[in-house]
Amino acid sequence: EAEVAQSPRYKITEKSQAVAFWCDPISGHATLYWYRQILGQGPELLVQFQDESVVDDSQLPKDRFSAERLKGVDSTLKIQPAELGDSAMYLCASSETGTGVTDTQYFGPGTRLTVL
Amino acid sequence: AQKITQTQPGMFVQEKEAVTLDCTYDTSDQSYGLFWYKQPSSGEMIFLIYQGSYDEQNATEGRYSLNFQKARKSANLVISASQLGDSAMYFCAMREGGVLTGGGNKLTFGTGTQLKVEL
Repeated sequence: EAEVAQSPRYKITEKSQAVAFWCDPISGHATLYWYRQILGQGPELLVQFQDESVVDDSQLPKDRFSAERLKGVDSTLKIQPAELGDSAMYLCASSETGTGVTDTQYFGPGTRLTVL
Repeated sequence: AQKITQTQPGMFVQEKEAVTLDCTYDTSDQSYGLFWYKQPSSGEMIFLIYQGSYDEQNATEGRYSLNFQKARKSANLVISASQLGDSAMYFCAMREGGVLTGGGNKLTFGTGTQLKVEL
Protein backbone atom coordinates (compact mmCIF):
# COMPACT_ATOMS: atom_id res chain seq x y z
CA GLU A 1 0.00 0.00 0.00
CA ALA A 2 1.37 3.42 -0.98
CA GLU A 3 2.38 5.64 1.93
CA VAL A 4 3.66 9.12 2.61
CA ALA A 5 7.27 8.96 3.82
CA GLN A 6 8.81 11.45 6.23
CA SER A 7 12.22 11.79 7.82
CA PRO A 8 13.52 12.10 10.39
CA ARG A 9 10.91 10.68 12.75
CA TYR A 10 12.40 12.54 15.72
CA LYS A 11 14.59 15.61 15.91
CA ILE A 12 16.08 17.32 18.94
CA THR A 13 17.81 20.62 18.40
CA GLU A 14 18.89 23.67 20.33
CA LYS A 15 17.25 27.02 19.80
CA SER A 16 18.77 29.16 17.08
CA GLN A 17 19.88 26.09 15.14
CA ALA A 18 18.56 25.19 11.70
CA VAL A 19 16.44 22.09 11.11
CA ALA A 20 15.03 20.48 7.98
CA PHE A 21 12.32 17.91 7.41
CA TRP A 22 11.75 15.81 4.31
CA CYS A 23 8.57 14.40 2.84
CA ASP A 24 7.93 12.05 -0.08
CA PRO A 25 4.23 11.93 -1.02
CA ILE A 26 2.27 9.03 -2.46
CA SER A 27 3.35 8.53 -6.05
CA GLY A 28 1.20 10.46 -8.47
CA HIS A 29 -0.28 12.80 -5.87
CA ALA A 30 -0.25 16.35 -7.17
CA THR A 31 -0.90 18.09 -3.86
CA LEU A 32 1.36 18.13 -0.84
CA TYR A 33 0.66 19.69 2.56
CA TRP A 34 2.74 20.51 5.61
CA TYR A 35 0.89 20.72 8.94
CA ARG A 36 2.07 21.61 12.43
CA GLN A 37 0.44 19.95 15.42
CA ILE A 38 1.08 21.39 18.85
CA LEU A 39 0.56 18.96 21.73
CA GLY A 40 -3.12 18.69 22.63
CA GLN A 41 -4.37 20.38 19.47
CA GLY A 42 -5.40 19.42 15.97
CA PRO A 43 -3.03 19.92 13.03
CA GLU A 44 -2.90 23.33 11.38
CA LEU A 45 -1.90 23.89 7.78
CA LEU A 46 1.44 25.61 7.23
CA VAL A 47 1.78 25.33 3.46
CA GLN A 48 0.10 23.64 0.50
CA PHE A 49 1.74 22.81 -2.83
CA GLN A 50 0.03 22.03 -6.09
CA ASP A 51 2.79 20.31 -8.06
CA GLU A 52 5.75 22.66 -7.53
CA SER A 53 3.72 25.79 -6.84
CA VAL A 54 2.68 27.13 -3.45
CA VAL A 55 -1.08 27.65 -3.33
CA ASP A 56 -1.46 28.51 0.36
CA ASP A 57 1.25 29.61 2.77
CA SER A 58 -0.83 32.12 4.72
CA GLN A 59 -0.03 30.45 8.07
CA LEU A 60 3.66 29.86 7.42
CA PRO A 61 5.92 32.09 9.61
CA LYS A 62 7.97 33.25 6.68
CA ASP A 63 10.62 35.00 8.75
CA ARG A 64 11.94 31.62 9.88
CA PHE A 65 10.15 28.90 7.93
CA SER A 66 10.64 27.97 4.28
CA ALA A 67 9.29 25.16 2.15
CA GLU A 68 10.06 23.94 -1.32
CA ARG A 69 8.94 21.25 -3.72
CA LEU A 70 11.30 21.88 -6.58
CA LYS A 71 10.40 19.06 -8.96
CA GLY A 72 6.82 18.69 -7.83
CA VAL A 73 7.53 15.43 -6.02
CA ASP A 74 9.26 15.42 -2.63
CA SER A 75 9.41 18.43 -0.36
CA THR A 76 11.57 19.98 2.34
CA LEU A 77 10.43 22.17 5.22
CA LYS A 78 13.13 24.23 6.93
CA ILE A 79 13.20 26.24 10.14
CA GLN A 80 16.00 28.72 10.73
CA PRO A 81 16.51 29.67 13.48
CA ALA A 82 14.47 27.27 15.60
CA GLU A 83 12.69 28.68 18.64
CA LEU A 84 11.36 26.95 21.77
CA GLY A 85 7.80 27.46 20.55
CA ASP A 86 8.50 25.43 17.42
CA SER A 87 8.45 22.20 19.41
CA ALA A 88 5.63 20.23 17.81
CA MET A 89 4.77 17.39 15.46
CA TYR A 90 5.26 18.26 11.79
CA LEU A 91 2.99 16.25 9.55
CA CYS A 92 3.16 15.90 5.80
CA ALA A 93 0.13 14.84 3.77
CA SER A 94 -0.65 14.32 0.11
CA SER A 95 -3.77 14.07 -2.00
CA GLU A 96 -4.46 13.11 -5.56
CA THR A 97 -5.79 16.30 -7.12
CA GLY A 98 -6.08 19.06 -4.52
CA THR A 99 -9.59 19.88 -5.64
CA GLY A 100 -13.08 18.57 -5.01
CA VAL A 101 -14.77 17.50 -1.81
CA THR A 102 -13.83 13.84 -2.20
CA ASP A 103 -10.09 14.44 -2.43
CA THR A 104 -8.76 12.69 0.67
CA GLN A 105 -5.51 13.68 2.36
CA TYR A 106 -3.21 10.88 3.48
CA PHE A 107 -0.66 11.60 6.16
CA GLY A 108 2.86 10.45 6.85
CA PRO A 109 4.18 9.33 10.26
CA GLY A 110 5.30 12.85 11.17
CA THR A 111 8.48 14.38 12.57
CA ARG A 112 8.44 15.13 16.27
CA LEU A 113 10.60 18.21 16.89
CA THR A 114 11.92 19.18 20.30
CA VAL A 115 13.71 22.50 20.65
CA LEU A 116 15.86 22.87 23.79
CA ALA B 1 -16.42 30.76 16.05
CA GLN B 2 -14.86 27.32 15.98
CA LYS B 3 -15.41 25.59 12.67
CA ILE B 4 -15.08 22.12 14.17
CA THR B 5 -16.08 21.38 17.76
CA GLN B 6 -15.33 18.17 19.58
CA THR B 7 -16.73 18.49 23.09
CA GLN B 8 -15.41 15.22 24.53
CA PRO B 9 -11.75 15.52 25.52
CA GLY B 10 -11.73 11.90 26.67
CA MET B 11 -13.95 8.85 26.38
CA PHE B 12 -13.84 5.37 27.88
CA VAL B 13 -15.51 2.30 26.38
CA GLN B 14 -15.42 -1.37 27.21
CA GLU B 15 -14.09 -3.81 24.67
CA LYS B 16 -16.75 -5.06 22.22
CA GLU B 17 -19.07 -2.16 23.04
CA ALA B 18 -20.04 0.61 20.61
CA VAL B 19 -18.97 4.21 21.17
CA THR B 20 -20.00 7.52 19.62
CA LEU B 21 -17.57 10.41 19.27
CA ASP B 22 -19.23 13.78 18.79
CA CYS B 23 -18.41 16.40 16.18
CA THR B 24 -20.27 19.55 15.25
CA TYR B 25 -19.25 21.93 12.51
CA ASP B 26 -19.94 25.44 11.32
CA THR B 27 -19.95 26.49 7.69
CA SER B 28 -22.00 28.60 5.32
CA ASP B 29 -20.82 26.63 2.29
CA GLN B 30 -23.27 24.28 0.57
CA SER B 31 -20.51 21.97 -0.58
CA TYR B 32 -18.17 20.56 2.03
CA GLY B 33 -16.59 17.33 3.16
CA LEU B 34 -16.27 15.86 6.63
CA PHE B 35 -13.46 13.51 7.62
CA TRP B 36 -12.47 11.48 10.64
CA TYR B 37 -8.86 10.57 11.38
CA LYS B 38 -7.33 8.34 14.03
CA GLN B 39 -4.01 9.27 15.62
CA PRO B 40 -2.33 6.56 17.72
CA SER B 41 0.43 7.48 20.14
CA SER B 42 2.94 6.92 17.33
CA GLY B 43 1.68 10.15 15.75
CA GLU B 44 0.51 9.16 12.29
CA MET B 45 -2.90 10.45 11.19
CA ILE B 46 -4.89 7.54 9.75
CA PHE B 47 -7.86 8.31 7.50
CA LEU B 48 -11.01 6.51 8.65
CA ILE B 49 -14.11 7.78 6.89
CA TYR B 50 -15.50 10.56 4.71
CA GLN B 51 -18.96 12.15 4.32
CA GLY B 52 -19.86 14.65 1.63
CA SER B 53 -22.44 17.33 2.27
CA TYR B 54 -24.56 16.12 -0.63
CA ASP B 55 -24.42 12.46 0.37
CA GLU B 56 -27.88 11.31 1.38
CA GLN B 57 -26.75 8.15 3.11
CA ASN B 58 -24.48 7.92 6.13
CA ALA B 59 -20.98 6.73 5.29
CA THR B 60 -19.77 3.37 6.56
CA GLU B 61 -16.33 1.75 6.50
CA GLY B 62 -16.15 -1.57 8.29
CA ARG B 63 -16.69 -0.95 12.01
CA TYR B 64 -16.82 2.82 11.45
CA SER B 65 -19.95 4.70 10.54
CA LEU B 66 -20.68 8.39 10.40
CA ASN B 67 -23.98 9.66 11.82
CA PHE B 68 -24.51 12.70 9.60
CA GLN B 69 -27.25 15.13 10.64
CA LYS B 70 -26.98 18.02 8.23
CA ALA B 71 -29.66 20.24 9.77
CA ARG B 72 -27.96 19.97 13.16
CA LYS B 73 -24.50 20.30 11.60
CA SER B 74 -23.24 17.22 13.32
CA ALA B 75 -21.07 14.37 12.04
CA ASN B 76 -20.59 11.90 14.84
CA LEU B 77 -18.31 8.88 14.46
CA VAL B 78 -19.67 5.55 15.65
CA ILE B 79 -17.23 2.72 16.31
CA SER B 80 -18.91 -0.65 16.74
CA ALA B 81 -17.43 -3.62 18.59
CA SER B 82 -14.55 -1.63 20.09
CA GLN B 83 -11.12 -3.25 20.19
CA LEU B 84 -8.10 -2.49 22.34
CA GLY B 85 -6.33 -1.24 19.20
CA ASP B 86 -8.96 1.48 18.84
CA SER B 87 -7.41 3.35 21.77
CA ALA B 88 -6.14 6.56 20.17
CA MET B 89 -6.88 10.22 19.55
CA TYR B 90 -9.69 10.84 17.07
CA PHE B 91 -9.99 14.03 15.02
CA CYS B 92 -12.93 15.37 13.07
CA ALA B 93 -12.02 17.63 10.14
CA MET B 94 -13.83 19.63 7.48
CA ARG B 95 -12.98 20.89 4.02
CA GLU B 96 -15.13 23.72 2.74
CA GLY B 97 -15.79 24.45 -0.91
CA GLY B 98 -15.26 22.17 -3.87
CA VAL B 99 -15.16 21.91 -7.61
CA LEU B 100 -18.21 24.08 -8.19
CA THR B 101 -17.27 26.88 -5.83
CA GLY B 102 -13.57 26.69 -6.56
CA GLY B 103 -12.78 26.51 -2.88
CA GLY B 104 -9.47 25.39 -1.46
CA ASN B 105 -8.56 22.02 -0.09
CA LYS B 106 -7.58 23.10 3.41
CA LEU B 107 -8.63 20.77 6.21
CA THR B 108 -9.75 22.36 9.48
CA PHE B 109 -9.40 20.04 12.45
CA GLY B 110 -11.11 19.88 15.82
CA THR B 111 -9.21 19.48 19.07
CA GLY B 112 -9.74 15.74 19.17
CA THR B 113 -11.18 13.11 21.51
CA GLN B 114 -8.92 10.67 23.35
CA LEU B 115 -10.57 7.24 23.32
CA LYS B 116 -9.52 4.54 25.76
CA VAL B 117 -10.81 1.00 25.26
CA GLU B 118 -10.84 -1.08 28.43
CA LEU B 119 -11.08 -4.82 29.00
